[in-house]
Amino acid sequence: AQSVTQPDIHITVSEGASLELRCNYSYGATPYLFWYVQSPGQGLQLLLKYFSGDTLVQGIKGFEAEFKRSQSSFNLRKPSVHWSDAAEYFCAVGYNTDKLIFGTGTRLQVFP
Amino acid sequence: GAVVSQHPSWVICKSGTSVKIECRSLDFQATTMFWYRQFPKQSLMLMATSNEGSKATYEQGVEKDKFLINHASLTLSTLTVTSAHPEDSSFYICSAARLGEQFFGPGTRLTVL
Repeated sequence: AQSVTQPDIHITVSEGASLELRCNYSYGATPYLFWYVQSPGQGLQLLLKYFSGDTLVQGIKGFEAEFKRSQSSFNLRKPSVHWSDAAEYFCAVGYNTDKLIFGTGTRLQVFP
Repeated sequence: GAVVSQHPSWVICKSGTSVKIECRSLDFQATTMFWYRQFPKQSLMLMATSNEGSKATYEQGVEKDKFLINHASLTLSTLTVTSAHPEDSSFYICSAARLGEQFFGPGTRLTVL
Protein backbone atom coordinates (compact mmCIF):
# COMPACT_ATOMS: atom_id res chain seq x y z
CA ALA A 1 0.00 0.00 0.00
CA GLN A 2 1.11 3.53 -0.68
CA SER A 3 2.12 5.40 2.44
CA VAL A 4 4.19 8.24 3.77
CA THR A 5 5.93 8.17 7.13
CA GLN A 6 7.18 11.16 9.04
CA PRO A 7 8.78 9.56 12.09
CA ASP A 8 9.16 12.76 14.07
CA ILE A 9 5.91 14.15 15.43
CA HIS A 10 7.52 17.10 17.15
CA ILE A 11 10.96 18.66 16.80
CA THR A 12 12.41 21.51 18.79
CA VAL A 13 15.49 23.41 17.67
CA SER A 14 17.24 26.60 18.63
CA GLU A 15 17.16 29.52 16.26
CA GLY A 16 20.20 29.38 14.02
CA ALA A 17 20.60 25.63 14.34
CA SER A 18 20.39 23.28 11.41
CA LEU A 19 17.26 21.26 10.72
CA GLU A 20 16.43 17.95 9.10
CA LEU A 21 12.90 16.60 8.86
CA ARG A 22 12.58 13.00 7.83
CA CYS A 23 10.21 11.53 5.28
CA ASN A 24 10.02 7.95 4.06
CA TYR A 25 7.57 6.63 1.53
CA SER A 26 6.26 3.39 0.20
CA TYR A 27 5.17 3.57 -3.41
CA GLY A 28 5.03 1.33 -6.45
CA ALA A 29 7.11 3.57 -8.67
CA THR A 30 9.19 6.67 -8.28
CA PRO A 31 6.59 9.15 -7.19
CA TYR A 32 6.33 12.87 -7.29
CA LEU A 33 7.50 14.17 -3.91
CA PHE A 34 6.50 17.32 -2.08
CA TRP A 35 7.09 19.21 1.13
CA TYR A 36 4.43 21.59 2.41
CA VAL A 37 4.38 23.93 5.39
CA GLN A 38 1.20 24.77 7.31
CA SER A 39 1.02 27.78 9.58
CA PRO A 40 -1.98 28.46 11.84
CA GLY A 41 -4.81 30.10 9.94
CA GLN A 42 -3.06 29.66 6.61
CA GLY A 43 -3.26 27.09 3.90
CA LEU A 44 -0.55 24.62 3.09
CA GLN A 45 2.26 26.26 1.18
CA LEU A 46 4.51 24.33 -1.16
CA LEU A 47 8.15 24.48 -0.11
CA LEU A 48 9.59 22.33 -2.85
CA LYS A 49 8.91 19.38 -5.11
CA TYR A 50 10.77 16.62 -6.90
CA PHE A 51 9.63 15.12 -10.16
CA SER A 52 12.85 13.91 -11.77
CA GLY A 53 16.44 14.92 -12.45
CA ASP A 54 18.78 16.31 -9.83
CA THR A 55 18.03 14.57 -6.55
CA LEU A 56 18.89 17.65 -4.49
CA VAL A 57 16.02 20.10 -4.77
CA GLN A 58 16.08 23.72 -3.70
CA GLY A 59 12.92 25.33 -2.42
CA ILE A 60 11.66 28.54 -0.97
CA LYS A 61 12.67 30.06 2.36
CA GLY A 62 16.10 28.45 2.23
CA PHE A 63 14.85 24.86 2.38
CA GLU A 64 16.24 21.97 0.38
CA ALA A 65 15.44 18.29 0.16
CA GLU A 66 17.28 15.27 -1.13
CA PHE A 67 15.65 12.31 -2.84
CA LYS A 68 17.35 9.02 -2.04
CA ARG A 69 15.83 6.23 -4.04
CA SER A 70 17.74 3.48 -2.22
CA GLN A 71 16.32 4.65 1.10
CA SER A 72 12.89 5.70 -0.19
CA SER A 73 13.46 8.97 1.57
CA PHE A 74 12.95 12.65 0.84
CA ASN A 75 14.31 14.51 3.86
CA LEU A 76 13.91 18.25 4.24
CA ARG A 77 16.83 20.35 5.43
CA LYS A 78 17.66 23.90 6.33
CA PRO A 79 21.12 25.03 7.45
CA SER A 80 19.96 27.76 9.82
CA VAL A 81 16.45 27.88 11.24
CA HIS A 82 14.62 31.15 11.85
CA TRP A 83 11.90 31.69 14.46
CA SER A 84 9.41 32.23 11.64
CA ASP A 85 9.99 28.64 10.48
CA ALA A 86 7.96 27.34 13.41
CA ALA A 87 5.02 25.52 11.79
CA GLU A 88 3.71 22.11 10.78
CA TYR A 89 5.53 20.41 7.93
CA PHE A 90 4.00 17.77 5.69
CA CYS A 91 5.65 15.44 3.25
CA ALA A 92 3.46 14.20 0.41
CA VAL A 93 3.80 11.79 -2.48
CA GLY A 94 1.75 11.15 -5.58
CA TYR A 95 1.80 9.50 -8.94
CA ASN A 96 1.02 12.88 -10.37
CA THR A 97 0.19 16.22 -8.88
CA ASP A 98 -3.45 15.35 -8.39
CA LYS A 99 -3.84 12.56 -5.87
CA LEU A 100 -1.52 13.26 -3.00
CA ILE A 101 -0.81 11.07 0.00
CA PHE A 102 0.29 13.05 3.02
CA GLY A 103 2.39 12.10 6.01
CA THR A 104 1.15 12.82 9.50
CA GLY A 105 3.24 15.94 9.77
CA THR A 106 6.08 17.19 11.95
CA ARG A 107 5.54 20.13 14.23
CA LEU A 108 8.61 22.35 14.41
CA GLN A 109 9.17 24.54 17.43
CA VAL A 110 11.96 27.10 17.40
CA PHE A 111 13.49 28.51 20.57
CA PRO A 112 15.26 31.89 20.54
CA GLY B 1 -1.11 34.94 -7.06
CA ALA B 2 -2.87 31.56 -6.74
CA VAL B 3 -4.86 32.32 -3.62
CA VAL B 4 -7.56 29.98 -2.36
CA SER B 5 -10.07 31.00 0.26
CA GLN B 6 -12.52 29.03 2.35
CA HIS B 7 -15.65 30.15 4.09
CA PRO B 8 -16.44 29.88 6.87
CA SER B 9 -13.17 29.44 8.72
CA TRP B 10 -15.02 27.74 11.54
CA VAL B 11 -18.57 26.58 12.14
CA ILE B 12 -20.48 25.00 15.00
CA CYS B 13 -23.73 23.23 14.27
CA LYS B 14 -26.23 20.94 15.92
CA SER B 15 -26.38 17.27 15.14
CA GLY B 16 -28.72 16.54 12.25
CA THR B 17 -28.27 19.85 10.46
CA SER B 18 -26.42 20.46 7.20
CA VAL B 19 -23.41 22.67 6.76
CA LYS B 20 -22.01 24.15 3.56
CA ILE B 21 -18.36 25.05 3.12
CA GLU B 22 -17.20 27.17 0.20
CA CYS B 23 -13.85 27.00 -1.54
CA ARG B 24 -12.90 29.78 -3.93
CA SER B 25 -9.91 30.35 -6.16
CA LEU B 26 -9.57 34.11 -5.97
CA ASP B 27 -7.20 34.96 -8.79
CA PHE B 28 -7.26 31.98 -11.11
CA GLN B 29 -9.65 29.52 -12.64
CA ALA B 30 -9.54 25.96 -11.45
CA THR B 31 -11.15 23.16 -13.37
CA THR B 32 -10.19 20.77 -10.59
CA MET B 33 -10.49 21.24 -6.86
CA PHE B 34 -9.87 18.78 -4.06
CA TRP B 35 -11.42 18.30 -0.64
CA TYR B 36 -9.41 16.92 2.26
CA ARG B 37 -10.21 16.06 5.82
CA GLN B 38 -7.67 16.41 8.60
CA PHE B 39 -8.03 14.84 12.02
CA PRO B 40 -6.00 16.15 14.97
CA LYS B 41 -2.38 15.07 14.79
CA GLN B 42 -3.11 13.15 11.60
CA SER B 43 -2.47 13.70 7.96
CA LEU B 44 -4.74 15.13 5.31
CA MET B 45 -6.99 12.52 3.78
CA LEU B 46 -8.30 13.13 0.28
CA MET B 47 -12.09 12.91 0.29
CA ALA B 48 -12.96 13.75 -3.27
CA THR B 49 -11.88 15.37 -6.49
CA SER B 50 -14.22 18.04 -7.77
CA ASN B 51 -14.33 18.81 -11.48
CA GLU B 52 -16.14 21.83 -12.85
CA GLY B 53 -19.32 20.87 -14.62
CA SER B 54 -19.24 17.21 -13.70
CA LYS B 55 -19.80 14.92 -10.77
CA ALA B 56 -17.18 14.68 -8.09
CA THR B 57 -15.02 11.60 -7.75
CA TYR B 58 -15.06 10.27 -4.22
CA GLU B 59 -12.31 8.27 -2.53
CA GLN B 60 -13.06 4.84 -1.22
CA GLY B 61 -14.91 4.95 2.09
CA VAL B 62 -16.25 8.48 1.65
CA GLU B 63 -20.05 8.65 1.64
CA LYS B 64 -21.03 10.71 -1.37
CA ASP B 65 -24.57 11.19 -0.08
CA LYS B 66 -23.25 12.63 3.13
CA PHE B 67 -20.56 14.84 1.67
CA LEU B 68 -22.15 16.60 -1.29
CA ILE B 69 -19.74 18.39 -3.59
CA ASN B 70 -20.75 20.92 -6.20
CA HIS B 71 -18.28 22.60 -8.55
CA ALA B 72 -20.61 25.03 -10.26
CA SER B 73 -18.03 27.43 -11.65
CA LEU B 74 -14.32 27.62 -12.36
CA THR B 75 -13.72 29.51 -9.14
CA LEU B 76 -16.10 27.89 -6.67
CA SER B 77 -16.55 24.45 -5.19
CA THR B 78 -18.80 23.70 -2.23
CA LEU B 79 -18.83 20.85 0.25
CA THR B 80 -22.09 20.23 2.08
CA VAL B 81 -22.03 17.97 5.09
CA THR B 82 -25.57 16.64 5.30
CA SER B 83 -27.20 15.51 8.53
CA ALA B 84 -24.01 16.19 10.40
CA HIS B 85 -23.07 14.12 13.43
CA PRO B 86 -20.36 14.62 16.04
CA GLU B 87 -18.08 12.16 14.24
CA ASP B 88 -18.09 14.55 11.27
CA SER B 89 -16.31 17.13 13.39
CA SER B 90 -13.00 17.76 11.72
CA PHE B 91 -10.83 20.21 9.81
CA TYR B 92 -11.80 20.38 6.15
CA ILE B 93 -9.30 21.72 3.62
CA CYS B 94 -9.77 22.40 -0.06
CA SER B 95 -7.22 22.90 -2.77
CA ALA B 96 -7.38 24.12 -6.34
CA ALA B 97 -5.19 22.86 -9.13
CA ARG B 98 -3.32 25.25 -11.38
CA LEU B 99 -0.58 24.33 -13.82
CA GLY B 100 -0.03 20.99 -12.17
CA GLU B 101 0.25 22.33 -8.64
CA GLN B 102 -2.27 22.34 -5.81
CA PHE B 103 -2.94 25.56 -3.91
CA PHE B 104 -4.57 25.09 -0.53
CA GLY B 105 -7.19 27.02 1.34
CA PRO B 106 -6.78 27.85 5.04
CA GLY B 107 -9.28 25.22 6.12
CA THR B 108 -12.63 25.12 7.90
CA ARG B 109 -13.02 23.81 11.42
CA LEU B 110 -16.37 22.02 11.79
CA THR B 111 -17.69 21.16 15.22
CA VAL B 112 -20.93 19.20 15.47
CA LEU B 113 -22.62 19.25 18.86
